[in-house]
This record gives sequence, C-alpha cells and structure tokens, in this order.
Amino acid sequence: EDQVTQSPEALRLQEGESSSLNCSYTVSGLRGLFWYRQDPGKGPEFLFTLYSAGEEKEKERLKATLTKKESFLHITAPKPEDSATYLCAVQANDYKLSFGAGTTVTVRA
Amino acid sequence: DSGVTQTPKHLITATGQRVTLRCSPRSGDLSVYWYQQSLDQGLQFLIQYYNGEERAKGNILERFSAQQFPDLHSELNLSSLELGDSALYFCASSSQGIRETQYFGPGTRLLVL
Repeated sequence: EDQVTQSPEALRLQEGESSSLNCSYTVSGLRGLFWYRQDPGKGPEFLFTLYSAGEEKEKERLKATLTKKESFLHITAPKPEDSATYLCAVQANDYKLSFGAGTTVTVRA
Repeated sequence: DSGVTQTPKHLITATGQRVTLRCSPRSGDLSVYWYQQSLDQGLQFLIQYYNGEERAKGNILERFSAQQFPDLHSELNLSSLELGDSALYFCASSSQGIRETQYFGPGTRLLVL
C-alpha cells in the first residue's frame, strides 16, 4: 500500500528563520509527487509537481526537491504569510493519490 | 478564486439520508477530482473523472458514487449517511490529467447529525 509520511507535524519559526519540511514515501511506481499549501477552512493550493529524483522547483521563498524515497520543501527566510499547512501527495502508476497528514507551519513576526 | 465552484457551501442532514454535492470545474478543464477531508483522516482522494469517464478510484465507499456530465460538471452522491461522513468535501479540476495543476474549489462542509 502506498504511504506518505510528513515530518514534523508542526513547525514554529521566527520570521527569517529558514527550515525544511520532509515527505517520505513508498509507492508502487511514482508518477508524480505534489506539494500543496492549505489555509484553515480553504481548499488546498497547488505549489509544485516533481516527477523524478534529482528534480527541483522553486517559487518565491519555497523550493521543493525530490529523491527516490523522500521530498523536501525548503522555506527560505519565511514571512508570517507563509503560515499554513503544507501537504505532500504521491500519485502511483494506477493514478491513485495518497496524501500525507501535513506539516503546520507557524511563522512569528 | 480558483475558478472551481462547489455547491452548497454548507449542508446539515441526518443519519441515513442522501445528499448530492455539485462541482463545476474551471472553464476548459476536463478532469475533476473529489476529496474528503476530516480531522482524523486528513485529505483522502476519492475519485477522478476525465472527460466523462472514471479515471482513478481511491478510498471511496460503496455508499458514495460520482459522475461527470457532458457539460463537465460533476456530482458526488452520498447515501445512507453516517456520523463519520461529516467532513469537508473538495472538488478540484485540471486541464489534462494529474500532471497538470489542480485547482481546488472552496469545499462543501457536510455535517451529519
């Protein structure tokens, strides 16, 4: 069975304090790994898709990387508006999606 | 605003009842996905439709069914409702398939009493 584990569950950062979120996965044939951001009571907002090991993508203060067993979401010099829950999901070759439980990031000014 | 609309926003019903949730994808998007998000189970993928055909099925209960119509809107039917079905139900759409960006709607909050 496909599994996605995110760590830590919660992360409290000071503004400007860079950090990384981890997403470990086991999947029967990876079609893609996805990162989303979700604010309370709202739908997830798509951030990145990564397809193969070694791939990296960046958007503003966020950078996602992928290896054969895990993905990292790096947050550089975070601001309070980066506070959210970050979700990781993997898609297997049968198109099924499996989500992690998420990492809740709080950035204090 | 993602361009994906979901109705209703809130729904309160009783156990044993049946409800229908509706989703209109972004203009031009062919794929529609349904997700369930509850406090104890996180975000669960239910089912995907592509241009009217079922493409992938996740952890969707037999009491639940979905379809995508010729105008590409989709409906998720939940029957014989149980207390545990209380959750946020999200719809998302994308233009081609899962490799394209998924845009999520605002969700329907279902409360089963």
